Amino acid sequence: DARVTQTPRHKVTEMGQEVTMRCQPILGHNTVFWYRQTMMQGLELLAYFRNRAPLDDSGMPKDRFSAEMPDATLATLKIQPSEPRDSAVYFCASGPTYDRFEKLFFGSGTQLSVL
Amino acid sequence: GENVEQHPSTLSVQEGDSAVIKCTYSDSASNYFPWYKQELGKRPQLIIDIRSNVGEKKDQRIAVTLNKTAKHFSLHITETQPEDSAVYFCAASTPPNAGGTSYGKLTFGQGTILTVHP
Repeated sequence: DARVTQTPRHKVTEMGQEVTMRCQPILGHNTVFWYRQTMMQGLELLAYFRNRAPLDDSGMPKDRFSAEMPDATLATLKIQPSEPRDSAVYFCASGPTYDRFEKLFFGSGTQLSVL
Repeated sequence: GENVEQHPSTLSVQEGDSAVIKCTYSDSASNYFPWYKQELGKRPQLIIDIRSNVGEKKDQRIAVTLNKTAKHFSLHITETQPEDSAVYFCAASTPPNAGGTSYGKLTFGQGTILTVHP
């Protein structure tokens, strides 16, 4: 049963620290998405990649957030420096195509708490 | 860009009743409308979807309807059960344009917290 794998599942850190979240998309999927979920904002798209190239990162605060795909099996989302308002659940999702979003699979998420 | 509005934000029903969640979208180019269910502490999971060339789709106790003219779509759950309690998200997918200047995008609604009381 293919799954999107995210690490860590939980992260507690202090304000100002760097946070790195990792995602392993389903093998063969060429689109990867990063979403942030909060009670107030719901599911916000932060960034998405097709064939490892960033297509859209307009939802991501550029001054502190960065997203990369060093290879087809790894996507990373970094926050530096982290702030308490970054506390949220961060989901990675992967899909087989970039223009038809059926079969979008979500990872289990990283619960981030910035104190 | 696409804007998806979802209502209600919370819905409480008795077991066995029906539940209806409605979404509207703004971009007439959107052509694919999935619904996701997210149980507490879990990941969102696709439960049903519909394409713009279809008006209704059913899968056992759940159904989705689409009105392209009015730009709204709805999720219907019949004979609700306590295990249907979760947050439900609608989404609308805008395909890339022919010129390649706009990439496909999936926009989610704000979510509906459904509670089914035994």
